[in-house]
Amino acid sequence: AQRVTQPEKLLSVFKGAPVELKCNYSYSGSPELFWYVQYSRQRLQLLLRHISRESIKGFTADLNKGETSFHLKKPFAQEEDSAMYYCALSGLLNNAGNMLTFGGGTRLMVKP
Amino acid sequence: NAGVTQTPKFQVLKTGQSMTLQCAQDMNHEYMSWYRQDPGMGLRLIHYSVGAGITDQGEVPNGYNVSRSTTEDFPLRLLSAAPSQTSVYFCATQNGASGANVLTFGAGSRLTVL
Repeated sequence: AQRVTQPEKLLSVFKGAPVELKCNYSYSGSPELFWYVQYSRQRLQLLLRHISRESIKGFTADLNKGETSFHLKKPFAQEEDSAMYYCALSGLLNNAGNMLTFGGGTRLMVKP
Repeated sequence: NAGVTQTPKFQVLKTGQSMTLQCAQDMNHEYMSWYRQDPGMGLRLIHYSVGAGITDQGEVPNGYNVSRSTTEDFPLRLLSAAPSQTSVYFCATQNGASGANVLTFGAGSRLTVL
């Protein structure tokens, strides 16, 4: 079975401080990992995915297969980063399509 | 393009009532899915469809029915609402197997069951 765990429900940091949102997963195959974000009054949207190895809005995430983690990091948090962040894993479901399994979410609050 | 349109945005039901949450997309995406969002539990997959005429159960399908008669529409039916179904429901689409699991979400439907 596949599972995604985000241990922190709420993370509060000051503007300019580094931020790390933790994500751990369990999956028997080769995973694809994603971070989705929901800003206030906006729709859920893709932030980044590990296969792209890109930095979006200053955020990066590295897949660590040894630790089964995909933590989201940003060196200097901005107030506009305040949002709900979801880690997600893609795995085969009933041999029909790759559906996403989401973690419980972490609310990031960046204080001025 | 409207993308993914969900209706209604808000609904209050009494226990035992039935209703349908509508989801329509104009992107010609093959895959459609329904998730429910509950505090601390993230998004959980209810039902999904990989094409017209094909549906399957997700993680939490009990109490919900779906059908996919067209590519565009994927309604979610609650046959006899229960307070445990109070949640925010999201419809999402994906551009088939080549969509690289990039989901496009609707705005959500907030359902309260009294």
